[in-house]
Amino acid sequence: DIQMTQSPSSLSASVGDRVTITCRASQSISSYLNWYQQKPGKAPKLLIYAASSLQSGVPSRFSGSGSGTDFTLTISSLQPEDFATYYCQQSYSTPAITFGQGTRLEIK
Amino acid sequence: QLQLQESGPGLVKPSETLSLTCTVSGGSISSSSYYWGWIRQPPGKGLEWIGSIYYSGSTYYNPSLKSRVTISVDTSKNQFSLKLSSVTAADTAVYYCARHNPSVDYWGQGTLVTVSS
Repeated sequence: DIQMTQSPSSLSASVGDRVTITCRASQSISSYLNWYQQKPGKAPKLLIYAASSLQSGVPSRFSGSGSGTDFTLTISSLQPEDFATYYCQQSYSTPAITFGQGTRLEIK
Repeated sequence: QLQLQESGPGLVKPSETLSLTCTVSGGSISSSSYYWGWIRQPPGKGLEWIGSIYYSGSTYYNPSLKSRVTISVDTSKNQFSLKLSSVTAADTAVYYCARHNPSVDYWGQGTLVTVSS
């Protein structure tokens, strides 16, 4: 199994802050890495696919980077609607996909 | 616009079988090279892939659940289904059906299944 580890597990930030969340894979997954946003009571929403491609309709303040084992999700200027939980997911071993444990982004 | 909708009992007794169905609308479940899968999320916890069925009918399961999981498809109804046997309280979760290849681009709204006597 490919294990995905996110850091930090939780993060407090203010509106307008630049925020970075990291995700590490237990083995190289090339660029087969996706990022999701989940709000309470809702299904996750795809933000970034293939490590750095922005899903249609997602604001450009979200960006992703990395390859191999280390990846980052960056929000350039936090907006009130961005406070949520974020998950990374590897699709290298599709269909056997695995998710990181999540990063909870809270208002400071 | 593709839509997925889970349906099934919200309460299952321990040792019994959990059964859920996902109805797909706005597109055919058998017309494209996608996987149709089940993902669950225990209350307050993260996401766990349960298993998927390919549009061709091939099935793939999480090794940790493989002995208890069956996923099937009914192309005539544009549905796919999950059966999880011998459930315990640890199987209490929100169950999502989803489409993926390779990212999960469509999700159902999720359905909470509680395992309790």
